[in-house]
Amino acid sequence: QQQVKQSPQSLIVQKGGISIINCAYENTAFDYFPWYQQFPGKGPALLIAIRPDVSEKKEGRFTISFNKSAKQFSLHIMDSQPGDSATYFCAYRRGAGNKLTFGGGTRVLVKP
Amino acid sequence: DTGVSQNPRHKITKRGQNVTFRCDPISEHNRLYWYRQTLGQGPEFLTYFQNEAQLEKSRLLSDRFSAERPKGSFSTLEIQRTEQGDSAMYLCASSITGQTNTGELFFGEGSRLTVL
Repeated sequence: QQQVKQSPQSLIVQKGGISIINCAYENTAFDYFPWYQQFPGKGPALLIAIRPDVSEKKEGRFTISFNKSAKQFSLHIMDSQPGDSATYFCAYRRGAGNKLTFGGGTRVLVKP
Repeated sequence: DTGVSQNPRHKITKRGQNVTFRCDPISEHNRLYWYRQTLGQGPEFLTYFQNEAQLEKSRLLSDRFSAERPKGSFSTLEIQRTEQGDSAMYLCASSITGQTNTGELFFGEGSRLTVL
């Protein structure tokens, strides 16, 4: 069963615009929230990650915002570029083993 | 190339046949994971190993599926008596434990299975 709900399923944004993807989770025992980026025909690759004791983390044009009380976290892609066109997955980790559970994904298309 | 390697990249088989996929993790990584990804969905956890020990299996891993990591290095995922519903991308990932563990899983490019 899906314990993290990701929205929207797809997103079209103009070059230079902001892409925003949201995830809502249920269990407060999760201790690590990564975002993965996947291009067609490739495996997912870590983009950026946050732990629940931090409210925001920025790496270049990518920012995670984390709202612990609302059990939500989001990915913001600033100044979106055509090369950012990919599918993005939020995920969470709970317990031992580094096992991740993924959301359903958001397909982002950046138009030039 | 020191990334996660998966073979074969594509496999087409007839229903009822057995298939085997191989994963070679990053050499110093002691944890290895198998995920399944169907079109338009996120990866779903199947099983993981720490060294040669299989520590967890998902309920998705029916008795037709078996995974091994005999010497704590490469791993194989075998599907017996394949069904059309097994058609998916099978992803392997690896990670490391200890002080250098950042929580990151490093994924291979996957093995795509099509069952006719």
